[in-house]
Amino acid sequence: AQSVTQLDSQVPVFEEAPVELRCNYSSSVSVYLFWYVQYPNQGLQLLLKYLSGSTLVKGINGFEAEFNKSQTSFHLRKPSVHISDTAEYFCAVITKGGGNKLTFGTGTQLKVEL
Amino acid sequence: DGGITQSPKYLFRKEGQNVTLSCEQNLNHDAMYWYRQDPGQGLRLIYYSQIVNDFQKGDIAEGYSVSREKKESFPLTVTSAQKNPTAFYLCASSLRRDSLSMNTEAFFGQGTRLTVV
Repeated sequence: AQSVTQLDSQVPVFEEAPVELRCNYSSSVSVYLFWYVQYPNQGLQLLLKYLSGSTLVKGINGFEAEFNKSQTSFHLRKPSVHISDTAEYFCAVITKGGGNKLTFGTGTQLKVEL
Repeated sequence: DGGITQSPKYLFRKEGQNVTLSCEQNLNHDAMYWYRQDPGQGLRLIYYSQIVNDFQKGDIAEGYSVSREKKESFPLTVTSAQKNPTAFYLCASSLRRDSLSMNTEAFFGQGTRLTVV
């Protein structure tokens, strides 16, 4: 069975500072990996995804993530955050050949402060 | 505009009542999902459907029921058997994928906040 772990429930950071949100997954087969963002009382919006190819994936709003197969990680990074990045971020996984069942982590609340 | 629509945005239910949450998509997606979101627990899968007239239980299906009579619609009923139904409910859809595909993204509705009063 697949699972996703987001170790940090909350990450406070000052505006214009870099940030990394951590995500580790567990699966016995190859996976597709995703990061979603959720603003208060909204649905989820896709930030970026890793399907295959280059392990460094660039997404919207200046975010990027790196797939590390040996460490089973898919950490999300941004070199300089803005107040508007304050939101909850979810890492998710689909196993290849396992249908479309999307499994989510518990989320990380990113709070950007002045 | 293509998208996925959930209604209502806010819903109040008395204890002991069944209530149905609507989810409609015009993306021509085969697969649809219902998730429940609680603070600190992330999103948990209630039910999902890969194709019309077929659906499977997710991780927390007890107290819920669904139907998939049409491709574009996947309503969720929260029954009186669900002991703690107050939560934020999210519906999603994606292309069915039987082989490797670039289109594995799931699209989400704006959610329905259900409160038991």
